[in-house]
Amino acid sequence: GAGVSQSPSNKVTEKGKDVELRCDPISGHTALYWYRQSLGQGLEFLIYFQGNSAPDKSGLPSDRFSAERTGGSVSTLTIQRTQQEDSAVYLCASAQLGRLAGGGPYEQYFGPGTRLTVT
Amino acid sequence: DAKTTQPPSMDCAEGRAANLPCNHSTISGNEYVYWYRQIHSQGPQYIIHGLKNNETNEMASLIITEDRKSSTLILPHATLRDTAVYYCIAAPPGSNYKLTFGKGTLLTVNP
Repeated sequence: GAGVSQSPSNKVTEKGKDVELRCDPISGHTALYWYRQSLGQGLEFLIYFQGNSAPDKSGLPSDRFSAERTGGSVSTLTIQRTQQEDSAVYLCASAQLGRLAGGGPYEQYFGPGTRLTVT
Repeated sequence: DAKTTQPPSMDCAEGRAANLPCNHSTISGNEYVYWYRQIHSQGPQYIIHGLKNNETNEMASLIITEDRKSSTLILPHATLRDTAVYYCIAAPPGSNYKLTFGKGTLLTVNP
């Protein structure tokens, strides 16, 4: 079946502009995550959505970052007034919770990412 | 979440077993050990997970020490396509399962 898709694959923007990144999770997956990966670094958690629960925004680096998930499916990550340090690959993942004892997922399925470059 | 420590890089000859170590000495009793890998320019890919027992699937085997303070991911017959960064992660239930990825181990499989 279809995996997680993200768009655009690449985005170049000028400092100060707003950008929107889109994630289409695997159908039926209730959990959706956003991460970012700066050059040469590990993945950094940004935000987590699970069903109708309030999202876990604990990883968002500043109030310029926001995300929403409409209808429990597609998610959009918005970065306002972009800065050069926002340049990174933004990765989305989805998961079907409840498969592990304690309710956790066996795995998260990652999309190919959006490479954001702020000039 | 328990911090994990991995060597920054390893080499392996094609066709040989690759054994990737991970130290998680502060792991708590309810934390699972997950392994993911990231091939260049792709998103991470789940490999295997375990709690206490050794696990095996079609991709790899996971050996967890009895005290759970360390684990080893084994790729039994490494191929060139296994060249990737391998991440070892310890994640407890109730954390929303947000994964904390360190820098991982860059495994280079050589012909």
